[in-house]
Amino acid sequence: DVKVTQSSRYLVKRTGEKVFLECVQDMDHENMFWYRQDPGLGLRLIYFSYDVKMKEKGDIPEGYSVSREKKERFSLILESASTNQTSMYLCASSLTGYGEKLFFGSGTQLSVL
Amino acid sequence: KNEVEQSPQNLTAQEGEFITINCSYSVGISALHWLQQHPGGGIVSLFMLSSGKKKHGRLIATINIQEKHSSLHITASHPRDSAVYICAVRSYSGGGADGLTFGKGTHLIIQP
Repeated sequence: DVKVTQSSRYLVKRTGEKVFLECVQDMDHENMFWYRQDPGLGLRLIYFSYDVKMKEKGDIPEGYSVSREKKERFSLILESASTNQTSMYLCASSLTGYGEKLFFGSGTQLSVL
Repeated sequence: KNEVEQSPQNLTAQEGEFITINCSYSVGISALHWLQQHPGGGIVSLFMLSSGKKKHGRLIATINIQEKHSSLHITASHPRDSAVYICAVRSYSGGGADGLTFGKGTHLIIQP
């Protein structure tokens, strides 16, 4: 079965710190996604990537950047963390194209103090 | 942009009851996903469907394209079914940047 692994389950950072969230998938999937999930708002797409070194902005990219140097790894970067970036961050991957089944990581609960 | 509404928002039931969770959307779609999120965060994809009905164990998902409506049913519910169930639709147009729009989820609690 596909495994999507996020590097940290819980993370506490201070305002202004640079934060890296790592995601690795082991099934050669083309597409990878970063979402954040907040109570009452559901999942919102931050960035996605459909190939190595390719990235597309999602619905809420402000304050974030991403990196995809290898097919299996998709990193989310908070250049200067702020308290309003406290959230659950979920990585997902899918094989290719649209309409494919999504596979999610277990999430990273980030708290920015 | 597709609007996705789930009902109910919260549901508490007794073990063994038949459970129905509903999802309605506003714009034509190419596919609908049902996802399950247990306490702790991880999300599992239960079904992806574009027409008709799918069944997996005690879970059944149906979709009515004309009525823009899908239901997720759980038969013989069990406490381990307690989770948040999320509907997500992939639109032909609109939706998020990846074409997916998520509902806010239904929080289900099954009491022993």
